[in-house]
Amino acid sequence: AQSVSQHNHHVILSEAASLELGCNYSYGGTVNLFWYVQYPGQHLQLLLKYFSGDPLVKGIKGFEAEFIKSKFSFNLRKPSVQWSDTAEYFCAVVSSGSARQLTFGSGTQLTVLP
Amino acid sequence: GAVVSQHPSWVICKSGTSVKIECRSLDFQATTMFWYRQFPKQSLMLMATSNEGSKATYEQGVEKDKFLINHASLTLSTLTVTSAHPEDSSFYICGCGTGGTEAFFGQGTRLTVV
Repeated sequence: AQSVSQHNHHVILSEAASLELGCNYSYGGTVNLFWYVQYPGQHLQLLLKYFSGDPLVKGIKGFEAEFIKSKFSFNLRKPSVQWSDTAEYFCAVVSSGSARQLTFGSGTQLTVLP
Repeated sequence: GAVVSQHPSWVICKSGTSVKIECRSLDFQATTMFWYRQFPKQSLMLMATSNEGSKATYEQGVEKDKFLINHASLTLSTLTVTSAHPEDSSFYICGCGTGGTEAFFGQGTRLTVV
């Protein structure tokens, strides 16, 4: 069974600081990888996704993530965070097999101080 | 595009009654639908996955007789919590997938059982 680990449960940064959130997955086959964001009181939104090709993926709002296959990692980065980035961030993986289960990590709460 | 509507947004019910939550993909056909529940300050826990043309696959520990999932069409899935109890109080979120790619999520339903 696949699993996703997010090691940072709560990250607190000041505005303009750089951000990197860790995500590791365990699955031996081909996977598609995602980062979702959930702003307070809102529904989940897709930040970015990786299916194939360039392992450096750029998403919305200045976020990017790098897929490193050898490390089973898909870390999320942003060079300079803003107060409006305060939210919960979830890494997710879906196997390309028939099960098609989308599995989420435990989430990372990001608090950006103004 | 890719809008998912979940209804109701919140519901309060008495212990022992049943509650139905609807999830609709408004502008696309969802070949796979996911149901999650989210406890406060925790991640999304996958409850079940339903693929087009087949019965829902429940995750270990999820009672299929208690959480009835009906994938009625490519645009509608329902989750019925039968004989609800206070411990069923949670935030339920549906996700709609299109053939193994990313999922689009509804706004969630806050269920409170009193």
